Amino acid sequence: NAGVTQTPKFRVLKTGQSMTLLCAQDMNHEYMYWYRQDPGMGLRLIHYSVGEGTTAKGEVPDGYNVSRLKKQNFLLGLESAAPSQTSVYFCASNDSRNQPQHFGDGTRLSIL
Amino acid sequence: ILNVEQSPQSLHVQEGDSTNFTCSFPSSNFYALHWYRWETAKSPEALFVMTLNGDEKKKGRISATLNTKEGYSYLYIKGSQPEDSATYLCAFILTNAGKSTFGDGTTLTVKP
Repeated sequence: NAGVTQTPKFRVLKTGQSMTLLCAQDMNHEYMYWYRQDPGMGLRLIHYSVGEGTTAKGEVPDGYNVSRLKKQNFLLGLESAAPSQTSVYFCASNDSRNQPQHFGDGTRLSIL
Repeated sequence: ILNVEQSPQSLHVQEGDSTNFTCSFPSSNFYALHWYRWETAKSPEALFVMTLNGDEKKKGRISATLNTKEGYSYLYIKGSQPEDSATYLCAFILTNAGKSTFGDGTTLTVKP
């Protein structure tokens, strides 16, 4: 039972490079979320999706784009990486707002 | 931006002590509150889903209460054990919102 799978687990980028983080869930969940977690801070919502083909901005969306072309996948893109985007990124999903979120194991991203 | 506050930020207790922490949230347009446990190097896992004013939930030595009218929830741990060491997050869900707003967490360290 995979649950929520994030790839890659680790990545080092140079400033200005682009990359895409993939989140896949096998629970047929409608809602999916991308968060970043920085030292001394909790989880801050970047973007989220309430269903296939939909996306919405969270608290800290600048510098990121997302797509939800398939229900099971939620992609987070960094078009031009900046050192301020060094963080641990978590993906999560749930079936409804009332249900708790299931989290992936995180992606540790360092931007030099 | 919603204000979800958790206190204290960190807590150090001895094995066997009982402890509690607070999550404060806006008292209007409440939909649900979730508590999560987040161990180091792992991803957050749900503890409780709380939806009704006066809710009390219990799982083993951990319990939680909810007061939606005054906008707070307490998490209690009875007889803390070293394995209870983790960060405890609360997440507030507004009516008509497709997302949760997380507090910054309370980090509990239980010394043997």
